[in-house]
Amino acid sequence: SQTIHQWPATLVQPVGSPLSLECTVEGTSNPNLYWYRQAAGRGLQLLFYSVGIGQISSEVPQNLSASRPQDRQFILSSKKLLLSDSGFYLCAWSREGKYEQYFGPGTRLTVT
Amino acid sequence: AQKVTQAQTEISVVEKEDVTLDCVYETRDTTYYLFWYKQPPSGELVFLIRRNSFDEQNEISGRYSWNFQKSTSSFNFTITASQVVDSAVYFCALSEAWINTDKLIFGTGTRLQVFP
Repeated sequence: SQTIHQWPATLVQPVGSPLSLECTVEGTSNPNLYWYRQAAGRGLQLLFYSVGIGQISSEVPQNLSASRPQDRQFILSSKKLLLSDSGFYLCAWSREGKYEQYFGPGTRLTVT
Repeated sequence: AQKVTQAQTEISVVEKEDVTLDCVYETRDTTYYLFWYKQPPSGELVFLIRRNSFDEQNEISGRYSWNFQKSTSSFNFTITASQVVDSAVYFCALSEAWINTDKLIFGTGTRLQVFP
């Protein structure tokens, strides 16, 4: 069966510090991968998606970036965090040709 | 433009009541998919159902049922005999048949609170 992991689970970082969130998927190959952000009490915003290694599409221009160094690894980064980067970050995967996405447990980021 | 509207921000019911969560969508595509996800307090989104635009048959899974009506662009979700464990935020989502990408457009969610 497939599982998706995210770490860390929670993170408190000062403004201006770097960020690296990691997501890995097990039990499948060549998944589509996604990063979402959910601000407190709000819906989900798609940040990035990837259909293969090194292929990243950005939905929202901002100070975040994503990378996919391996088939089942998706990383969300920032060089300098802003207060507005606080939120709940969710990674998801889907099979090519299958439209439902499966989500990880999320990372709760607080920028102070 | 694609859009998903969940007009009900929050619903409170007492256990054993039936509750319906509304979802209205907008799309110009003839081929699309609709989804419901559950987000319990732990935060992880749980996939509940996918329907495609060619299949308007209603679906029942235990206490859950879904009513898809293309004529009104709605995909409503009913929980029968609600339980406290049903308390969560529920999201409706839309996906169009993009080549190689399966981008989901989410509604803003409906928070359901079921009281004992």
